[in-house]
Amino acid sequence: KAGVTQTPRYLIKTRGQQVTLSCSPISGHRSVSWYQQTPGQGLQFLFEYFSETQRNKGNFPGRFSGRQFSNSRSEMNVSTLELGDSALYLCASSLDVVESSYNEQFFGPGTRLTVL
Amino acid sequence: DQQVKQNSPSLSVQEGRISILNCDYTNSMFDYFLWYKKYPAEGPTFLISISSIKDKNEDGRFTVFLNKSAKHLSLHIVPSQPGDSAVYFCAAKRGADGLTFGKGTHLIIQP
Repeated sequence: KAGVTQTPRYLIKTRGQQVTLSCSPISGHRSVSWYQQTPGQGLQFLFEYFSETQRNKGNFPGRFSGRQFSNSRSEMNVSTLELGDSALYLCASSLDVVESSYNEQFFGPGTRLTVL
Repeated sequence: DQQVKQNSPSLSVQEGRISILNCDYTNSMFDYFLWYKKYPAEGPTFLISISSIKDKNEDGRFTVFLNKSAKHLSLHIVPSQPGDSAVYFCAAKRGADGLTFGKGTHLIIQP
């Protein structure tokens, strides 16, 4: 079974630009979560999508947004990029079976975004 | 304010010995705890988890202990192997919320 894939793997942008990152979950997984990893703040939860709806949201400004398509693929967008947005952006998918105490999240390799 | 803390940025252990990684949390509403392992250029990989109603969970060489009164959990790896060298993240969640991660501990297994 193919794992979580993220594209592109590396990206360089300049301040003020916007960027879109893509995530394809494991086949059959319905939930997709996004995380930002930086040296100073570690791994921080951005948001989670399930059935094309945002189900949870972390503490990030409105410049960070996302969406999920009917095939569970997800994109996240960051507008008006700032230097501090340079980070590794990780996507994770899970089965999200009802009545399960926890659905293990499987992570992709991440997209390394550098903002100059 | 960081709700999940890993106070040791790095830990060096001899091959064959026990590795003990520690994690503290402040939010008493967390009901599920997990450990992830991360190699460079890869996403985190799930290792082991524990529900807040338990105090121990074991899976092969990996055991996680939870002390709710101290708001502390630990991951024991016995025996430590060279392939265990990686960054280990402690994570916690409350209900259906997203995961809250610690900043990680870099474990180095020395031959």
